[in-house]
Amino acid sequence: DQQVKQNSPSLSVQEGRISILNCDYTNSMFDYFLWYKKYPAEGPTFLISISSIKDKNEDGRFTVFLNKSAKHLSLHIVPSQPGDSAVYFCAARSNTGNQFYFGTGTSLTVIP
Amino acid sequence: DSGVTQTPKHLITATGQRVTLRCSPRSGDLSVYWYQQSLDQGLQFLIQYYNGEERAKGNILERFSAQQFPDLHSELNLSSLELGDSALYFCASSVNSVTDTQYFGPGTRLTVL
Repeated sequence: DQQVKQNSPSLSVQEGRISILNCDYTNSMFDYFLWYKKYPAEGPTFLISISSIKDKNEDGRFTVFLNKSAKHLSLHIVPSQPGDSAVYFCAARSNTGNQFYFGTGTSLTVIP
Repeated sequence: DSGVTQTPKHLITATGQRVTLRCSPRSGDLSVYWYQQSLDQGLQFLIQYYNGEERAKGNILERFSAQQFPDLHSELNLSSLELGDSALYFCASSVNSVTDTQYFGPGTRLTVL
């Protein structure tokens, strides 16, 4: 049972435009969320996180939004750059547990 | 380079066999995590060790086991291998607990024929 879902397997965006990657979760006990970026032949790399007490966290070109009522998380990349082309995973942790649940990933292609 | 190393990079073996995957965490990290990524699947958490002791268990099969040694490196043992065990196996490490940022190794690609 997939508790964290990324329903878009792929996304293509023009360089300079905004990339929006979405993530939905089912467990209302999740209280901490992260985004990881993964290049081919490498392991995932931590990108940005957000706690459930916030609804937005920003780090440079990357902003994560959390809508707890909708159980929805999104990552905005502005402006998108070709080097952002990678697979993006969202992950969530329950406040009652000690493991992260990952989505299946969204492959982002930024077209020069 | 995350500082986490995994060996081997690739492993091809036959059904019924047993393999061992090895992970060396970043210097100073006490926690090691193992994940499995099958085709078109997200990363599935398998198990976590903290300073030599098992801390958390996820969807790890009974045919799989792991340990963390005094030097903090970890091994994941997969036995009685089945075709469905073919996957990427990632190791990650963090300073202490699961609330810390996890740094991932490059993974070991296991192919069971």
